[in-house]
Amino acid sequence: GAVVSQHPSWVICKSGTSVKIECRSLDFQATTMFWYRQFPKQSLMLMATSNEGSKATYEQGVEKDKFLINHASLTLSTLTVTSAHPEDSSFYICSVAHPAGEKLFFGSGTQLSVL
Amino acid sequence: GDSVTQMEGPVTLSEEAFLTINCTYTATGYPSLFWYVQYPGEGLQLLLKATKADDKGSNKGFEATYRKETTSFHLEKGSVQVSDSAVYFCALSSGGSNYKLTFGKGTLLTVNP
Repeated sequence: GAVVSQHPSWVICKSGTSVKIECRSLDFQATTMFWYRQFPKQSLMLMATSNEGSKATYEQGVEKDKFLINHASLTLSTLTVTSAHPEDSSFYICSVAHPAGEKLFFGSGTQLSVL
Repeated sequence: GDSVTQMEGPVTLSEEAFLTINCTYTATGYPSLFWYVQYPGEGLQLLLKATKADDKGSNKGFEATYRKETTSFHLEKGSVQVSDSAVYFCALSSGGSNYKLTFGKGTLLTVNP
């Protein structure tokens, strides 16, 4: 069965609203999770590293005030797209790092469409 | 910076055909190389990996060999099945961490019966 649960799988919202995406580790506790974004016909791009109990680490060019990451427990990280605009429409994917070995487990992704 | 270039899709094959999806990379140092697969409605899953030059990763009939001289990691399968229909991503990690990955754009493979 799935190791990572990501919800919702798709969401449509109006411009200016905020959208929250959840990423849950179902089988183990994870201190580190990752958030990626994929535009059509482009590569998955790492946006940020989510660290339980501390601030997320953002990649260069990613606005931390726009993409709020909260990793308040060892099994849940959330990504909130604040004041979404059409250019934020994209496919967002989370991944979870297994603590016992160098293996990543991925969520099934969230397709965000901002009207 | 690091980058991965993989063959543009979509790729459509008949069952039992031979598959090659090309992947080349640029990276500093000695990266680890990966192929991930995403089946419809599911998350990416690690298909195979190689951590040093001339290593061959293999799984489920798929193979890829780490070629340092050509900076390539092409994915091959001798006889594809309908169940292999998915999106395939080539990726690398460098800097000593297998967690921070640089991905290619993905290649959609459709296998027809």
